[in-house]
Amino acid sequence: SYVLTQPPSVSVAPGKTARITCGGNNIGSKSVHWYQQKPGQAPVLVIYYDSDRPSGIPERFSGSNSGNTATLIISRVEAGDEADYYCQVWDSSSDHPVFGGGTKLTVL
Amino acid sequence: EVQLVESGGGLVQPGGSLRLSCAASGFIFSSYEMSWVRQAPGKGLEWVSYISGSGSTIYYADSVKGRFTISRDNAKNSLYLQMNSLRGEDTAVYYCASVLGYGGARLFDYWGQGTLVTVSS
Repeated sequence: SYVLTQPPSVSVAPGKTARITCGGNNIGSKSVHWYQQKPGQAPVLVIYYDSDRPSGIPERFSGSNSGNTATLIISRVEAGDEADYYCQVWDSSSDHPVFGGGTKLTVL
Repeated sequence: EVQLVESGGGLVQPGGSLRLSCAASGFIFSSYEMSWVRQAPGKGLEWVSYISGSGSTIYYADSVKGRFTISRDNAKNSLYLQMNSLRGEDTAVYYCASVLGYGGARLFDYWGQGTLVTVSS
């Protein structure tokens, strides 16, 4: 089955740029979606189709996807961005969704 | 406004059964594929099951296949998960989520608040 690999944690200072990676075999050929989950809350979609933002998500959130790595980019990081972030694809071979293991973003 | 509200969680003994429900509103429920996703305490997201809008196509994760049954009642705008032969490793918050998109591009656009299932003696 398809595997997505994320770093367990990423730390960034306020106002700087955070990059959270999601690795997978030829992931650039797939559509990647990203979810933000704050403690005690349900996940929220923040990026879909690699780089599109749902309404209500700040422009500071963006995404890219190429080769074997997809990246969630958060510019001008704020304290409120501290959360767990998960990448997700839909594996066509099994017709099942797959989540990455999640990355905890810490704002220093 | 889209709303997904789960219910039915609780404490159950190993080997027991539980039925989760998800009440949907704010969208044409019958047109949407749906899924259950769970999250064990302190762990990541794990997809559990999927059902098409008509209910004709159903998938399960290997970890629950043969024990869990997903279903829906489009007349009642409701999604269900019947969980049998429960194990300690099934302890988790269970979320229902609506599925958007087609084929290999599908995603989860709306999530409920979750319901906690605890399997313990």
